Amino acid sequence: GQQVMQIPQYQHVQEGEDFTTYCNSSTTLSNIQWYKQRPGGHPVFLIQLVKSGEVKKQKRLTFQFGEAKKNSSLHITATQTTDVGTYFCAGPSSSGSARQLTFGSGTQLTVLP
Amino acid sequence: EAGVVQSPRYKIIEKKQPVAFWCNPISGHNTLYWYRQNLGQGPELLIRYENEEAVDDSQLPKDRFSAERLKGVDSTLKIQPAELGDSAVYLCASSRGGSLGSEAFFGQGTRLTVV
Repeated sequence: GQQVMQIPQYQHVQEGEDFTTYCNSSTTLSNIQWYKQRPGGHPVFLIQLVKSGEVKKQKRLTFQFGEAKKNSSLHITATQTTDVGTYFCAGPSSSGSARQLTFGSGTQLTVLP
Repeated sequence: EAGVVQSPRYKIIEKKQPVAFWCNPISGHNTLYWYRQNLGQGPELLIRYENEEAVDDSQLPKDRFSAERLKGVDSTLKIQPAELGDSAVYLCASSRGGSLGSEAFFGQGTRLTVV
């Protein structure tokens, strides 16, 4: 079945440093979604990318969908303590339903003040 | 608009006992998901409903887990009997669906501890 892996598993950064997490799928994705989960909280939707090579920005966050639609990345510029949490990518295989959300293993971000 | 509501928030039971979780999705959302999340891991899909139909339950341990979504609205997830390894957070999520998929809204989850 479809597998979605993320690296790194953990990342500690000093406040103000940049952060990037990478998502890789074993199968081609029809779209990719990113979620953030704060400690003790539930996943909250950040963004969805649909097109090959698509890049979207939300303030300090930049999301990219690979040309082959099998990988994606999330980059945070100048991290802040409010960025602390675990970032998950999730996506359906292009061979299945677009609503079949398989989550990655997540990258846990710690921001040191 | 109310979000996805789950109950209970916490549940502690002894192994071999039954337990049930309840989920009320956002009104109008046709797609409903049940996920299980272990500490430090990503949500693992247990079952997905499109309206009242379970369209993907390949990850649901059917010997002890069961789920239903009556009238395509509320849903319940049951475990009988519970095992120690079932301790986890059980998350319910809903989405509008659509051909390209749409964002999933998660409930607060039910934290199950089996002792």
